Amino acid sequence: GAVVSQHPSRVICKSGTSVKIECRSLDFQATTMFWYRQFPKQSLMLMATSNEGSKATYEQGVEKDKFLINHASLTLSTLTVTSAHPEDSSFYICSAPDYQETQYFGPGTRLLVL
Amino acid sequence: QKEVEQDPGPLSVPEGAIVSLNCTYSNSAFQYFMWYRQYSRKGPELLMYTYSSGNKEDGRFTAQVDKSSKYISLFIRDSQPSDSATYLCAMNSGGYQKVTFGTGTKLQVIP
Repeated sequence: GAVVSQHPSRVICKSGTSVKIECRSLDFQATTMFWYRQFPKQSLMLMATSNEGSKATYEQGVEKDKFLINHASLTLSTLTVTSAHPEDSSFYICSAPDYQETQYFGPGTRLLVL
Repeated sequence: QKEVEQDPGPLSVPEGAIVSLNCTYSNSAFQYFMWYRQYSRKGPELLMYTYSSGNKEDGRFTAQVDKSSKYISLFIRDSQPSDSATYLCAMNSGGYQKVTFGTGTKLQVIP
């Protein structure tokens, strides 16, 4: 199947700093990518839809100024957590549908804010 | 009422057993149905992807969709300890649309 990568796989940062997470579709182009957050023992919660060439669409309750999304190209979307706080510590996962409309997920990025 | 309901388990079975995992949904717009497997601290891995009602088989896995009842199932035959993971049902209204997940069922296969 198609491959979606994420970088970094794990990041630890101090409170107040910003963290950028990259999501790449390695063997297909994705005009749309999705960002999810998963807390321990919970399911994935959609944060936003990343659209190449236009603004991201955020789910209700997700602060767009805190979670900046940039879909820089047809294979890259980035999520920047600005002024991170301990409550932002979570597992962030991206997904992208391939040309057959099958959604593939990245391996996830574990963020720990101290 | 949640759009997708899934029994969180945990479900514990002996090795070799047939496992049945189920989800119900309320949104008639859902047309695409997926099952993902997620190991601890890893991203979800696609197991099965179906569009129409009926059965789809892939190795030891069979996905079943009943749109009239808004009910989907995943069957695992000859379960192995390596199948121990959380299984997430997921669905959307179109391939490029956002995916709605069930809460996930934690499965443990005991050797």
